Amino acid sequence: RKEVEQDPGPFNVPEGATVAFNCTYSNSASQSFFWYRQDCRKEPKLLMSVYSSGNEDGRFTAQLNRASQYISLLIRDSKLSDSATYLCVVKGNNAGNMLTFGGGTRLMVKP
Amino acid sequence: DVKVTQSSRYLVKRTGEKVFLECVQDMDHENMFWYRQDPGLGLRLIYFSYDVKMKEKGDIPEGYSVSREKKERFSLILESASTNQTSMYLCASSSPREGNQPQHFGDGTRLSIL
Repeated sequence: RKEVEQDPGPFNVPEGATVAFNCTYSNSASQSFFWYRQDCRKEPKLLMSVYSSGNEDGRFTAQLNRASQYISLLIRDSKLSDSATYLCVVKGNNAGNMLTFGGGTRLMVKP
Repeated sequence: DVKVTQSSRYLVKRTGEKVFLECVQDMDHENMFWYRQDPGLGLRLIYFSYDVKMKEKGDIPEGYSVSREKKERFSLILESASTNQTSMYLCASSSPREGNQPQHFGDGTRLSIL
């Protein structure tokens, strides 16, 4: 079983739609959680950290469920520019700040 | 803004060559990482370093070595390049001084081994 699992997609949605991605992780000792965004042929960039209480940044909402070892990302009012691959990332209980990356979920927003 | 700079965006080398990939960060970050990214496999950690002259193996260190002689620079070395090392290589850095220690990535080096 992969340590961090995501549905690879692609998710094809029209502009203005709401879309949600899910991610599960296997290491219950994981401490920090992130969503990264990666555009085609570009480097991953931090989109947002995920906090236990849930957090929102504009059209983006991230949720963490530690009991179920589950993270989600909700995008409201999708824009064409949201088209990218979204990487679920987990940091375990380790001193070296090693991150484990999910395989990514590809989102394509169509006009 | 953190700047992580990789020396080449595209590189073509031949089987058996010794290949050096260079990475420099300008934020005095303690931690530096080398990943490779392949379709269907995601990002996989090759090596990381949490201090000068320190290095730790990641998930797939075979065929690679690293060097961290200065804090700002982390080099990935392919001792004898092979075709299965054709990939996108990404360098990243982070610091315990930054909450949750997110990693900041360079633009990536697309390496082709012929």
